[in-house]
Amino acid sequence: NAGVTQTPKFQVLKTGQSMTLQCAQDMNHNSMYWYRQDPGMGLRLIYYSASEGTTDKGEVPNGYNVSRLNKREFSLRLESAAPSQTSVYFCASSEPGRGNTIYFGEGSWLTVV
Amino acid sequence: RKEVEQDPGPFNVPEGATVAFNCTYSNSASQSFFWYRQDCRKEPKLLMSVYSSGNEDGRFTAQLNRASQYISLLIRDSKLSDSATYLCVVNLLGGATNKLIFGTGTLLAVQP
Repeated sequence: NAGVTQTPKFQVLKTGQSMTLQCAQDMNHNSMYWYRQDPGMGLRLIYYSASEGTTDKGEVPNGYNVSRLNKREFSLRLESAAPSQTSVYFCASSEPGRGNTIYFGEGSWLTVV
Repeated sequence: RKEVEQDPGPFNVPEGATVAFNCTYSNSASQSFFWYRQDCRKEPKLLMSVYSSGNEDGRFTAQLNRASQYISLLIRDSKLSDSATYLCVVNLLGGATNKLIFGTGTLLAVQP
């Protein structure tokens, strides 16, 4: 059981380049999330999708777009990468409900130079 | 003010010690609460949920005080393998969706 799979694991981009982080989950969860994690800032929610066909902004959505392609997949796109977007990105999924666990992918280390 | 605040630590404790972490949250409408553990360069993983009545899982005890908007985690008889960052997590929404907000984490280093 793969759980939450995200790709790529590592990426170096030049300022202004675009890229898409891919995420897929095989747990049939309705909700999916993208977080970024920076030293001293903790995990910050970029976007989330409560269910297939819906997306909502989190704390730090500027500079990002998302697509909930289907129930399994939730991608994060950087249209014009900036050095401030250097971070570790985590995709996650959960089944809605008060006590339900959120499961994370292994993370994507992105460096923008 | 951050929505979820934790003491970043580090907490350096000897094996066998008891250590407590605290967390405060600002949104009184928060629905549910969790502690996650994150090892270095790994993804966060659920340690335990936090219930109003308090709950225990082996050496770990979590407590919630809704009136004070305060969550705690107590680790007894610390092991070397407990060394990690502990994240306090608050779910702002309930029902049809989750919106989880994470604290910045508290770093625990258990020394031999």
